Amino acid sequence: EVQLSESGGGLVQPGGSLRLSCAASGFTFGSYAMTWVRQAPGKGLEWVSGVSGSGDSTYYADSVKGRFTVSRDNSRNTLYLQLNSLRAEDTAIYYCARVLDTSKFMPNYWGQGTLVTVSS
Amino acid sequence: SYELTQPPSVSVSPGQTARITCSGDVLAKKYAYWYQQKSGRAPVLVIYEDTKRPSGIPERFSGSNSGPMATLTISGAQVEDEADYYCCSTDSSGNYGVFGGGTKVTVL
Repeated sequence: EVQLSESGGGLVQPGGSLRLSCAASGFTFGSYAMTWVRQAPGKGLEWVSGVSGSGDSTYYADSVKGRFTVSRDNSRNTLYLQLNSLRAEDTAIYYCARVLDTSKFMPNYWGQGTLVTVSS
Repeated sequence: SYELTQPPSVSVSPGQTARITCSGDVLAKKYAYWYQQKSGRAPVLVIYEDTKRPSGIPERFSGSNSGPMATLTISGAQVEDEADYYCCSTDSSGNYGVFGGGTKVTVL
């Protein structure tokens, strides 16, 4: 059974940093691209970032480019998202997701999310 | 960047057909994907590559794409289908993903 579990969320001041983690199990982690999607309170889904199975290729939404960094450690079956220069508008639930076999970005299996709150 | 546009809400009586549209120029060249999100839960993929249904998704869910508009159809909607539905695709260069704004489906 595919399982994804995010951690690392919390309250951070504007301009601060956080690192989110996503522990994966139930599949061969390095064989799948992974993605991060966020959802601000009461708002819709927003695609944030993606990374290839090897970690060699990374992709970002314009809203986070230059501030967020996605990475993965295939030996630890873990996906990361480094969030820097955080803004109030980054407040959201952050979901990690395994991507479909036939897609570069489209989520298939989702974690339950971790909440990031940016506030002073 | 580009956008995918969905109607904010759709209302249907139980047993009737609900149709949710998603429009965007890129849909003439790229697949549409659809996600269902119930309150407080993570999203669930219900349609991928325009028309395909993942295992475990009821047959009443179907999709079509006549770019620039894709449609998710719920035939014989059930009360348990009440949820927010999001379309999703990629930009034409394949450099990022984009979600539509979401459609709240009410079955009553």
